[in-house]
Amino acid sequence: DAGITQSPRHKVTETGTPVTLRCHQTENHRYMYWYRQDPGHGLRLIHYSYGVKDTDKGEVSDGYSVSRSKTEDFLLTLESATSSQTSVYFCAISENRGSSTEAFFGQGTRLTVV
Amino acid sequence: GNSVTQMEGPVTLSEEAFLTINCTYTATGYPSLFWYVQYPGEGLQLLLKATKADDKGSNKGFEATYRKETTSFHLEKGSVQVSDSAVYFCALRGDSGAGSYQLTFGKGTKLSVIP
Repeated sequence: DAGITQSPRHKVTETGTPVTLRCHQTENHRYMYWYRQDPGHGLRLIHYSYGVKDTDKGEVSDGYSVSRSKTEDFLLTLESATSSQTSVYFCAISENRGSSTEAFFGQGTRLTVV
Repeated sequence: GNSVTQMEGPVTLSEEAFLTINCTYTATGYPSLFWYVQYPGEGLQLLLKATKADDKGSNKGFEATYRKETTSFHLEKGSVQVSDSAVYFCALRGDSGAGSYQLTFGKGTKLSVIP
């Protein structure tokens, strides 16, 4: 199994509070991604990183920010959580950007905003 | 942009039945195609992939053939087992531009296999 750890695995938070999810990898892969998984939508890309301090927006980036200060860590922050951000969040990594490159996924974080 | 359409679920089959999950895609160039599987409570795992037209990916008895003429990558298995119960995602990664950074997923198909 690829060395990807997401924390926390479960979190309940109140509307309007900030929340940070962490993804930690031990594979030294350059590319890291945050996806959210919702019924009827599959997985949608929130943000991705192609190196330390290099990040870009994905399909559903509104309300989220990310940071990558070290190769191994990619943080996802909800500045002010809303109920629409209740979801399961997955971190993924890949070694390079080639089209045939496999992505490896973490176990997911289930976030509930009440 | 890139997109993936896969058959809606859920799909319920009896053990040893034949499985087909349809997947079609829209993309420019020559994307790579993937099937991922998600078992309950877990993250996604790569099941198989194909990187060019007419390639066949296979793993654990599952197969899928990259058909560029029909832009399809249907997943098949000849005899399903209870342990195959999971959610299956078709995905593509483009070969140029912004699409090459990310996987584009279908909505997923939940398969339940009953004894």
